[in-house]
Amino acid sequence: DAGVTQSPTHLIKTRGQQVTLRCSPKSGHDTVSWYQQALGQGPQFIFQYYEEEERQRGNFPDRFSGHQFPNYSSELNVNALLLGDSALYLCASSYTGVTTGELFFGEGSRLTVL
Amino acid sequence: GEDVEQSLFLSVREGDSSVINCTYTDSSSTYLYWYKQEPGAGLQLLTYIFSNMDMKQDQRLTVLLNKKDKHLSLRIADTQTGDSAIYFCAEILGGSSNTGKLIFGQGTTLQVKP
Repeated sequence: DAGVTQSPTHLIKTRGQQVTLRCSPKSGHDTVSWYQQALGQGPQFIFQYYEEEERQRGNFPDRFSGHQFPNYSSELNVNALLLGDSALYLCASSYTGVTTGELFFGEGSRLTVL
Repeated sequence: GEDVEQSLFLSVREGDSSVINCTYTDSSSTYLYWYKQEPGAGLQLLTYIFSNMDMKQDQRLTVLLNKKDKHLSLRIADTQTGDSAIYFCAEILGGSSNTGKLIFGQGTTLQVKP
C-alpha cells in the first residue's frame, strides 16, 4: 500500500517564476492538506481540499492556489515566487470518515528560490 | 492566538527517559498529536490523545494531558539513538477533527547520546 507520494522531491526556481507541486494521497484517503515548513520551524497550514474544493485556508496570500482532482490527487501552485517561499512543502492526506483526524504525510518537496 | 509552544532542544543519554513538553492554545481541541520528523524526511504520526483523556500509553510512549493548564507531554521510556529526531506537538483548530487544520509547535530536537 503506497503512502502519500509527492513530486518533485527537490527543485530550484528563481524569483518571479511559478511552481507546481504534486501529491497523491494514501489509498482510501479523500482529503488532502498542504503545509509549508520553513527551515527550523514547524509546518504551517496552507489549505485543505475535499471533494475537489478548498475547504479551509491558512494565512497565505492568493499567490498560493491549489486543486484537487477526481482521483483525490492534488496540486499546489505558487505564483510570483519570493525568496521567502523557499521551504519544504508537505502534503498530508486523511479520510473524512476517520474522526481522530490522523494525517499521513509525504516526504515533501523542497523548493529553493534564488 | 494560534501558538503552540515547545522547548527547542533536549539531550539525554541512551537508556534514560525523555520528556518533551508542549503548551497549546485551544481548549476546544478534540485531539492532540505528537509527530516525529527525521532529517530530510516528512512527518510520522507517533501517537495522539483524545481531549477527554488524561493519559495514553503506547509501548515506550506515554502521553499526559493537563487540560486545565493546556499542557501536553510525551515521555519516551528507554530512549534509543534511533529516537534522535525532531518532535512536534500539534492541535486541531477551527473545525472538527476531520475538517480542522493542524497547528504545530516549532519542534523539539531530541539528541540521544550513546
